[in-house]
Amino acid sequence: NAGVTQTPKFQVLKTGQSMTLQCAQDMNHNSMYWYRQDPGMGLRLIYYSASEGTTDKGEVPNGYNVSRLNKREFSLRLESAAPSQTSVYFCGGGQLQETQYFGPGTRLLVL
Amino acid sequence: GQSLEQPSEVTAVEGAIVQINCTYQTSGFYGLSWYQQHDGGAPTFLSYNALDGLEETGRFSSFLSRSDSYGYLLLQELQMKDSASYFCALYSSASKIIFGSGTRLSIRP
Repeated sequence: NAGVTQTPKFQVLKTGQSMTLQCAQDMNHNSMYWYRQDPGMGLRLIYYSASEGTTDKGEVPNGYNVSRLNKREFSLRLESAAPSQTSVYFCGGGQLQETQYFGPGTRLLVL
Repeated sequence: GQSLEQPSEVTAVEGAIVQINCTYQTSGFYGLSWYQQHDGGAPTFLSYNALDGLEETGRFSSFLSRSDSYGYLLLQELQMKDSASYFCALYSSASKIIFGSGTRLSIRP
């Protein structure tokens, strides 16, 4: 039981490049989330998916797209990376109104 | 909108008790949670208050007062490994969670 897994762990991009962050959970959660955390800050919600086949914008969705491929997988795509997107990205899974379990994070640097 | 406020830093002594406060503004929410995050790590769940009152889990307790828009995390018998950042988080409607900016807890021997 791996919980929530994320790939890659680290990534360096040049401005304008695209990439997809992958997230998978084996805990049978309906809801999945993508957050970003900037240094010294709390987590800010980018997108969430309340159930398979649905996605909604969070607090900071601009510059990102998501895809809930199935119940297990929820990916985050940066179509044209910008230096302002340098951050640590956490994927989370959880049932509505209950605890969330987070993946180990992806550290992204955009040059 | 919704917002949470918590102190940016708290210092305490090993073996002591410390309370981390969280005040919030929201029109409605399901509950208040607390998460711990060590440097370089992922947040981990500590506690969840759906109702007013105290929830106890080992050395950690969490309290919620909806009428005062206030909650706190109480850590007892502090250990050096408790040095970390602690976040309160509001569970609002539609599967959304809003996190506070975090309190960095430093523990002195």
